[in-house]
Amino acid sequence: DAKTTQPPSMDCAEGRAANLPCNHSTISGNEYVYWYRQIHSQGPQYIIHGLKNNETNEMASLIITEDRKSSTLILPHATLRDTAVYYCIVRVGSFGNEKLTFGTGTRLTIIP
Amino acid sequence: NAGVTQTPKFRILKIGQSMTLQCAQDMNHNYMYWYRQDPGMGLKLIYYSVGAGITDKGEVPNGYNVSRSTTEDFPLRLELAAPSQTSVYFCASSRGAEGNQPQHFGDGTRLSIL
Repeated sequence: DAKTTQPPSMDCAEGRAANLPCNHSTISGNEYVYWYRQIHSQGPQYIIHGLKNNETNEMASLIITEDRKSSTLILPHATLRDTAVYYCIVRVGSFGNEKLTFGTGTRLTIIP
Repeated sequence: NAGVTQTPKFRILKIGQSMTLQCAQDMNHNYMYWYRQDPGMGLKLIYYSVGAGITDKGEVPNGYNVSRSTTEDFPLRLELAAPSQTSVYFCASSRGAEGNQPQHFGDGTRLSIL
């Protein structure tokens, strides 16, 4: 799987949009971009994933650049409960990719 | 709306004891996984299963055993607990292993071996 690079930490004011960047410059054509988060003491929570088009669900939006070498996770109206470590992961789109590889992630702190 | 349920949430074992960590999912997912997470580290895959009766090793299987007799349940067994197995254990499930099938996690079992 391609490696990802994320900033180690970010702050965001409560109520504002949180934009979390991720670089995946070696991504292959069949690799999906995934985002998970881990709130202290809890299991990783799936947020969103995409291949090449931008995606939106009830939690967040995922913007993938046209060359697919980077992406941004957007939490539109951050709340204190969004304070967590956010992981950007790339996964191949075929069988045999059982393992999720979590890097060090971005520690997002929402400021009241 | 249970998703993936793990029990117990916390456990302290003595060296050499054995125990079974329970995992159940109600999403009718074929794939199930066991990971461990050591402090400040990422997740490491212990075992996974592609369906009832079928299991396979991940990257750190030594000291653990699994079984999958039903689609819903995937217990993880520690036979002779060692201090190196002190960790947080997460169970996950997914519909498949393709890149567009997300894994959904339980809240973990925090295990200390003393």
